[in-house]
Amino acid sequence: GAGVSQSPSNKVTEKGKDVELRCDPISGHTALYWYRQSLGQGLEFLIYFQGNSAPDKSGLPSDRFSAERTGGSVSTLTIQRTQQEDSAVYLCASSLRGEQTQYFGPGTRLLVL
Amino acid sequence: SQQGEEDPQALSIQEGENATMNCSYKTSINNLQWYRQNSGRGLVHLILIRSNEREKHSGRLRVTLDTSKKSSSLLITASRAADTASYFCATDGAGGTSYGKLTFGQGTILTVHP
Repeated sequence: GAGVSQSPSNKVTEKGKDVELRCDPISGHTALYWYRQSLGQGLEFLIYFQGNSAPDKSGLPSDRFSAERTGGSVSTLTIQRTQQEDSAVYLCASSLRGEQTQYFGPGTRLLVL
Repeated sequence: SQQGEEDPQALSIQEGENATMNCSYKTSINNLQWYRQNSGRGLVHLILIRSNEREKHSGRLRVTLDTSKKSSSLLITASRAADTASYFCATDGAGGTSYGKLTFGQGTILTVHP
């Protein structure tokens, strides 16, 4: 596709509910990243996928957060039992293998009430 | 946690003036990148400078890197109202790793008045 797309653009949920955020990377990009941007913490790395390798999950803040990438393309970030502190913009990025530049999607703005 | 800090946190200038933003980081890096963000949404890559480079230009952008001081600066010359955005530095390779896990600074909010 022309760029990284994310859905939904905005999500409002109630505390305790599960949410799924989707990312479609640029076609042919083997690397995919999730970041979180919040007022208190700035931009934080969450998880990184590279091809068929095991993902780097070192940035996930708790075991309520998980992500998968199916077929080396689309990725889903799942937050279980959401808390108010999960409210943030969740950004996805992709890049070509070996390339340093990352291409970001428009983000999903999550609000947990 | 953030790799470094950016300074100033906010910058307000008139169209035509130059804008300079600074970034400091804490650990060794492979490269440093600058990104721009409009309205709290997606980031757009501006420029990348490698650890063995000292200065790089792209259009109205000039980036410097001083690895001895662990700092970088972004200069935007002849600013335009359309340059109004948040600007972030991001480092790659903290701790010697070479893949693309980026660590971002806190960002500088630039406002250019017409």
